Amino acid sequence: ETGVTQTPRHLVMGMTNKKSLKCEQHLGHNAMYWYKQSAKKPLELMFVYNFKEQTENNSVPSRFSPECPNSSHLFLHLHTLQPEDSALYLCASSQDPGQGVEQYFGPGTRLTVT
Amino acid sequence: DQQVKQNSPSLSVQEGRISILNCDYTNSMFDYFLWYKKYPAEGPTFLISISSIKDKNEDGRFTVFLNKSAKHLSLHIVPSQPGDSAVYFCAASGVLTGKLIFGQGTELSVKP
Repeated sequence: ETGVTQTPRHLVMGMTNKKSLKCEQHLGHNAMYWYKQSAKKPLELMFVYNFKEQTENNSVPSRFSPECPNSSHLFLHLHTLQPEDSALYLCASSQDPGQGVEQYFGPGTRLTVT
Repeated sequence: DQQVKQNSPSLSVQEGRISILNCDYTNSMFDYFLWYKKYPAEGPTFLISISSIKDKNEDGRFTVFLNKSAKHLSLHIVPSQPGDSAVYFCAASGVLTGKLIFGQGTELSVKP
């Protein structure tokens, strides 16, 4: 595997379910990110991790819970979501979180909350 | 309030002609700008960037122009090819943070 991978690619869940999204990067990067992209809207940064430590939480509701066990893996745990949380969730990584550092994106998980 | 705006949701261009994608920003603290390209069912991929000390950066068929006084940047693709058909996002970041603020994207269609 190369680059940034995400599983599952598609997920349908009910509002009472608990599920997790997984991201793995094979690039040796130190920073990882979760983004949300809703239809016709810009990508919105959710969380930033640098060397496994969360450095940014962009006012994300607590029903989204990130976990970064090491620099290569990032999870997004989901529980009691709302239909408006349906979106494309993208993971990205970069060498570090500084300015001008290119971010590499995974293919995303298309989430539908019913 | 959206700090980075791409006001054209779509653009259609004939193969071989120039494609011009536009992006406006409101925050004068932004000083690094990037363009990403996204195909369906794939994540965005980095295309080209420019820092505020420059007004032009070129990479093959792709050129980005920055007009700081107008807070405007544009991506020129020439000649356009059908494989360029994708959604293009511009993004900006400031000197104090690498946090990227994205526009909402412009879908480019290059017709043979």
